[in-house]
Formats: sequence, structure tokens, C-alpha cells
Amino acid sequence: IAGITQAPTSQILAAGRRMTLRCTQDMRHNAMYWYRQDLGLGLRLIHYSNTAGTTGKGEVPDGYSVSRANTDDFPLTLASAVPSQTSVYFCASSDRAGSGANVLTFGAGSRLTVL
Amino acid sequence: GQNIDQPTEMTATEGAIVQINCTYQTSGFNGLFWYQQHAGEAPTFLSYNVLDGLEEKGRFSSFLSRSKGYSYLLLKELQMKDSASYLCAVNHDYKLSFGAGTTVTVRA
Repeated sequence: IAGITQAPTSQILAAGRRMTLRCTQDMRHNAMYWYRQDLGLGLRLIHYSNTAGTTGKGEVPDGYSVSRANTDDFPLTLASAVPSQTSVYFCASSDRAGSGANVLTFGAGSRLTVL
Repeated sequence: GQNIDQPTEMTATEGAIVQINCTYQTSGFNGLFWYQQHAGEAPTFLSYNVLDGLEEKGRFSSFLSRSKGYSYLLLKELQMKDSASYLCAVNHDYKLSFGAGTTVTVRA
């Protein structure tokens, strides 16, 4: 089934640990995004990539890093997790980077708890 | 950042109509989206407006006024399955910024 796969689905992590959230899409979309969703704040853009080999910062990039070595994969890394990074993380993709009609397809989300 | 406002919660009766308003202030406007998100699930695309006016898609319609920075999503003939959060999102500089979402509860 075509779409976006995120892993892990859920994770509890000790503060200070390193964590990588994985995201893979099989739709050959050129653009990929990472959002976090917190109650009352909605979805906030962390990092994005308009095409393989390029990345950019979103609204809340501090404490996170990304890479885009190929079209399909867009991992999000927390170098040293802190409790404020407890959230639900959604990966998304689009085949219309640079277009107004930039419809996003979302993965199922990864729920991360940092203690 | 972008300023996108929508009501937090709305309640309506099965079979009724509900209108969810969204106001925004942004630079570099490229279009406005509505997404639906059921509890514990991913957001899914509902509608897209880039020109002023009404876009109708079955029971759902979306309206945009660019000069007023205003949009609404109209849900007609409400069904229990329409209970969800509805997210208004503005495309600016080809990236989407989302409002906090409106939780709609449909009662029998």
C-alpha cells in the first residue's frame, strides 16, 4: 500500500538520550516534512526538504536535525532529548513542492515521551 | 510566524449544518487548506482554496476571502463519523502553517 511509514509508533525515552524517528515514503514525492503536534498548539513545522539533498528549518527547529540522502527517507534526530520534546511527531510528503496546491500526505505519527 | 485563528470546539446535532471559521494573517499567501483529523489518527486532506469563492465537494464546502483573510468550512448533513478535529492551514512561501484545530462533536 503506497504511503508513508513512520517508526517507532510509540517510544518512551530518558532525557539526554539520542533518538531517531524514521520516515519512509514510497510515492516518489519530492518534498518531505516533519511536524510536531501538541494539545492547543496544533501542528508546527520542525524541518522540511524540498528535494533529496536539501533541507530547511521550519518554525521550531531547535534540538532537532534531519537529513535527506535519498527521495524516500527523511529521518528526524533528537541529539539529546528533553521533556519539552514530548509530543506526537508526524512526517508528511508532497509531490508539489514550490506550488500553492501543496497537498500533504501524512504518516500515522510517532508518539514520543521524554522523561 | 503566521497567525491563524479558529474556534477550539463546536457541537452540533446529527443532520445539522456546522460552519467552522478561520482567520489568518500571513505574507506570501499561496492558498488555504482544510484537513480532517480523527482522534489518534493522521490528518487527511479535505479542501483547497486559492481564489476567492466557494468550493463544494459533496457534503463539505470551503470558502475563501483573501482580502479579509477569512475562510470557512461548511459541513452539511452532519453524520456521527464527522466528529473530528478540523485544521485550517495556510500555504505561505510554499510551506503549510496550521491553526490549532477545531474539535467538532456530533450528537445524536
